[in-house]
Amino acid sequence: EAEVAQSPRYKITEKSQAVAFWCDPISGHATLYWYRQILGQGPELLVQFQDESVVDDSQLPKDRFSAERLKGVDSTLKIQPAELGDSAMYLCASSLDSASYNEQFFGPGTRLTVL
Amino acid sequence: DAKTTQPPSMDCAEGRAANLPCNHSTISGNEYVYWYRQIHSQGPQYIIHGLKNNETNEMASLIITEDRKSSTLILPHATLRDTAVYYCIVRVYGSQGNLIFGKGTKLSVKP
Repeated sequence: EAEVAQSPRYKITEKSQAVAFWCDPISGHATLYWYRQILGQGPELLVQFQDESVVDDSQLPKDRFSAERLKGVDSTLKIQPAELGDSAMYLCASSLDSASYNEQFFGPGTRLTVL
Repeated sequence: DAKTTQPPSMDCAEGRAANLPCNHSTISGNEYVYWYRQIHSQGPQYIIHGLKNNETNEMASLIITEDRKSSTLILPHATLRDTAVYYCIVRVYGSQGNLIFGKGTKLSVKP
């Protein structure tokens, strides 16, 4: 069964350092989402792509976060500089397209710890 | 903000039915009820969705009240592997965009 791949699974970094997370969606899925999940909370959307275009980044802290999906396939989320409050699980999800009747498939996530 | 209210936690004995309630009193006529679950250290997983009729699949059953203001997810024979956080989400069918998660219900299935 096709799955969403993410790497690394775990990342420990010091504050003010740069970190990057990678996501490879299910083949053929046009829509890709990055969510952030703080411990004890539900996931919250950071950015949504339709193919290579950003369609919603209203919740992305653009002073330190950036995301790209250059060829409309895999995607990278970057944080520079990392802050203590960025410690969280970063989840990538994909779907055939953005219509809600298409199931979103989630990857295993990257657990970020900022020291 | 999430448009649903769920109890923060529930326990269930292994082999028994787990009934997880969700309140969505402000649901609109074109909004569906979706359920996802998240097993520890994994990403969320889709379970089921419905509009007003009861729905059943290989994972669970979804019972929606006639006034659509609440629903119940039923796991008919809970196993230890069903221990997870269960999220109830309302969403317009065919709408664009992301899922809006609340805090969900932490279901603990006990031997």
